[in-house]
Amino acid sequence: EAQVTQNPRYLITVTGKKLTVTCSQNMNHEYMSWYRQDPGLGLRQIYYSMNVEVTDKGDVPEGYKVSRKEKRNFPLILESPSPNQTSLYFCASSSKPGGSNGYTFGSGTRLTVV
Amino acid sequence: AQSVTQPDIHITVSEGASLELRCNYSYGATPYLFWYVQSPGQGLQLLLKYFSGDTLVQGIKGFEAEFKRSQSSFNLRKPSVHWSDAAEYFCAVGTTDSWGKLQFGAGTQVVVTP
Repeated sequence: EAQVTQNPRYLITVTGKKLTVTCSQNMNHEYMSWYRQDPGLGLRQIYYSMNVEVTDKGDVPEGYKVSRKEKRNFPLILESPSPNQTSLYFCASSSKPGGSNGYTFGSGTRLTVV
Repeated sequence: AQSVTQPDIHITVSEGASLELRCNYSYGATPYLFWYVQSPGQGLQLLLKYFSGDTLVQGIKGFEAEFKRSQSSFNLRKPSVHWSDAAEYFCAVGTTDSWGKLQFGAGTQVVVTP
């Protein structure tokens, strides 16, 4: 089954403790993105990647890092999480630039930073 | 500045009635547009997309949307809603000159009453 898999689904952590949210897709897509969803704000793009070793900032990149060492994986790294990063995070992938044929989304990771 | 606006935060509709969700955008370049649906606790699912060509596009689950360049709008419609259509709906816009950045509206929550 074609899918984007995120782990973990739920995560509670403390301020300053580094964490990684993994994302993997099995569709051989070149384009991947990370979004965060907050009530009343919709989805805001954190980072996106056009291919292996090629990434760029989205609208809200502060406090986040990404890497794309393999085509299928696009982990999101929070080096020093803070409470304002409490949010619902989605990874997405597409076979065309910018999701122009539609993104496939993962099921989301709900992160709470206390 | 580029923006996507969904004017209605919340809509309540009776089962069997028609539904229209509004989306307005402000972009300088030629846009491509999407509607996504998010059921509770789920990721986002693509309903339909417009890239070029016929301005009335058909999607899944009986939805359709019309692109009106003169009004900078891409409204979503369904002639007769079902209880299962209760969800949050997001409009998203990208452009061919900044293809990496797909911008989402804040969402419209749809409640379906018996």
